[in-house]
Amino acid sequence: SQTIHQWPATLVQPVGSPLSLECTVEGTSNPNLYWYRQAAGRGLQLLFYSVGIGQISSEVPQNLSASRPQDRQFILSSKKLLLSDSGFYLCAWSQLAVYGYTFGSGTRLTVV
Amino acid sequence: GIQVEQSPPDLILQEGANSTLRCNFSDSVNNLQWFHQNPWGQLINLFYIPSGTKQNGRLSATTVATERYSLLYISSSQTTDSGVYFCAGTGTSYGKLTFGQGTILTVHP
Repeated sequence: SQTIHQWPATLVQPVGSPLSLECTVEGTSNPNLYWYRQAAGRGLQLLFYSVGIGQISSEVPQNLSASRPQDRQFILSSKKLLLSDSGFYLCAWSQLAVYGYTFGSGTRLTVV
Repeated sequence: GIQVEQSPPDLILQEGANSTLRCNFSDSVNNLQWFHQNPWGQLINLFYIPSGTKQNGRLSATTVATERYSLLYISSSQTTDSGVYFCAGTGTSYGKLTFGQGTILTVHP
């Protein structure tokens, strides 16, 4: 069966420090991969999606970037964190975008 | 992109009560899912339901794709049902999932 792993679970980082969040999927190949952010409140906002290795699309301009160095690995990065980058980050995968989406357990990032 | 509207935004129930959550879409959706976000933030997939009706224990969901809405029914609610319920859909064959703002459900013992 397919599983998705996301780490770390929580992270406290100072303003101006770099960021690297990792997400990996097991049990499938060539998944579509997504990064979402949930700020204080409810809504989930799509940040990046990828349909293949090295293929990244950004949904909103921001201080973050994403990379997909391997088929089942998706990384969210920042060179210098801002206070506004705080939030709950969720990675997700889908297969051909027609069988539903499965989310990782999330990373709660606090920038201080 | 599509717009997703959920109602009600907040719902308070006594244990044992039934409830219906609604999700409206601004345009046709190719995929539709209901999620429950638990207190630890994890999104639990409840239903993948682009059309029709599905049931899983005390939960059931119905999507009327032609009228662009979906309903989530919770029967005999329990305190563990508390949390935020999201519906989400994709408006293109690509599949970027767009979320509603959620319904915060609180079930009191």
